[in-house]
Amino acid sequence: DTGVSQNPRHKITKRGQNVTFRCDPISEHNRLYWYRQTLGQGPEFLTYFQNEAQLEKSRLLSDRFSAERPKGSFSTLEIQRTEQGDSAMYLCASRREGYGYTFGSGTRLTVV
Amino acid sequence: DQQVKQNSPSLSVQEGRISILNCDYTNSMFDYFLWYKKYPAEGPTFLISISSIKDKNEDGRFTVFLNKSAKHLSLHIVPSQPGDSAVYFCAALPHQAGTALIFGKGTTLSVSS
Repeated sequence: DTGVSQNPRHKITKRGQNVTFRCDPISEHNRLYWYRQTLGQGPEFLTYFQNEAQLEKSRLLSDRFSAERPKGSFSTLEIQRTEQGDSAMYLCASRREGYGYTFGSGTRLTVV
Repeated sequence: DQQVKQNSPSLSVQEGRISILNCDYTNSMFDYFLWYKKYPAEGPTFLISISSIKDKNEDGRFTVFLNKSAKHLSLHIVPSQPGDSAVYFCAALPHQAGTALIFGKGTTLSVSS
């Protein structure tokens, strides 16, 4: 069990650029979640996959955001035309049914 | 609107004393509650959980109490240690399968030696 891995750990980008983050879950976990955390807030749910199927998206996931989980393994979260309000920590978590959520260390995005 | 509320942004406690962190919720469909601890630049780490069919769960220095009628839970840490200094998040899970955790805003605990 190597835990949930997220890359990169930090990303600084100019407003208007596209960014992509990667999450590698624990291998036997079939469920994968993306959260966003801003300063002074708790993690806020963005989207959820069961295997390769994206089953739920929150209203926070605007049309500039897209997430994929090809083959039910790793997942990517892409933000197009980044805005300063996208600056946050993006957290990935995985779990299998009946077990707790394991979070990665997150990707801290700064949009300048 | 916040379904999980942690009304105290911060708490300071002396080493060896009890730390009590509180959490309120509004959704009666929540049936599982969890506490996570978070250090800067790291993801949240699971600490302890409680099912809605119980009113207490204990794990070493950590005890979680659930009062369903008041929609309130609390995390007790006894004795508190400087290494416990972190942000603590309360999270709740509705009973629908696959639904994501809903977090409170967190309480920053500082334990001084």
